[in-house]
Amino acid sequence: KNQVEQSPQSLIILEGKNCTLQCNYTVSPFSNLRWYKQDTGRGPVSLTIMTFSENTKSNGRYTATLDADTKQSSLHITASQLSDSASYICVVKGSGTYKYIFGTGTRLKVLA
Amino acid sequence: SQTIHQWPATLVQPVGSPLSLECTVEGTSNPNLYWYRQAAGRGLQLLFYSVGIGQISSEVPQNLSASRPQDRQFILSSKKLLLSDSGFYLCAWRGNEGTEAFFGQGTRLTVV
Repeated sequence: KNQVEQSPQSLIILEGKNCTLQCNYTVSPFSNLRWYKQDTGRGPVSLTIMTFSENTKSNGRYTATLDADTKQSSLHITASQLSDSASYICVVKGSGTYKYIFGTGTRLKVLA
Repeated sequence: SQTIHQWPATLVQPVGSPLSLECTVEGTSNPNLYWYRQAAGRGLQLLFYSVGIGQISSEVPQNLSASRPQDRQFILSSKKLLLSDSGFYLCAWRGNEGTEAFFGQGTRLTVV
C-alpha cells in the first residue's frame, strides 16, 4: 500500500534554532517528492521538489534531502523564524499516476 | 502566470442543504484538477480528479460529487450535506507536463 509517514507529528522550537523533519514513504514506482508548507487555514505552498536522481534541494533556509534507496526524505530548517510556524507536508507522486500521496504533516511551532 | 481561485473561503451550512464550491484556474489550458479534503489533524484526502472536461474520477465513495463544465473550472457539489462533510476543502491544479500541484487557498466548510 502506498503510504507517506511523517515524524514528528508536532515540534516546538525556539526562534533561531535549527530543526529537521522526517518523511518515510512506500510509494512505488516513485516519481517525485515535494515538501509543502501550509499555514493555518490556507492552502499548501510548495517549498521543494525532488526527483529520483536528486539528493538535495534548497530553498532559502529550507533544505530537503532524498534517499531514494531507503525511501526517506528530510526537511531541514535553518535559523528558524516565527513565520516558519506552520504544518509541513511531505507529498509523494508515483510514476504513471495522477495521484499524490500526502503525509499527515508535522506541525511546527516557533517560539520567541 | 497561472493562478487558481477558490471560493468561498468559509462556509457554514445546515445539515441537508446543498453545496457548491467553485475552483477556477487562469493562465493555463487543459490542467489536471483535484479536489482534496483535509480533516483536522489529518492529511489531505483526494476526493476527485479530472484530466479533462467532463472527465471525473472519484477516489472514495461519499456524499459529494464533482463536475468540470469548462476546461478550467472544477466544481464540488452535494445535494444534501452531512455533518461529516465538515472540513477544509482544497482545489489544486497541475499542468500536463508539470510535476507540481498548485493549491487554492481552501474553503473551510462547517456543517451545523
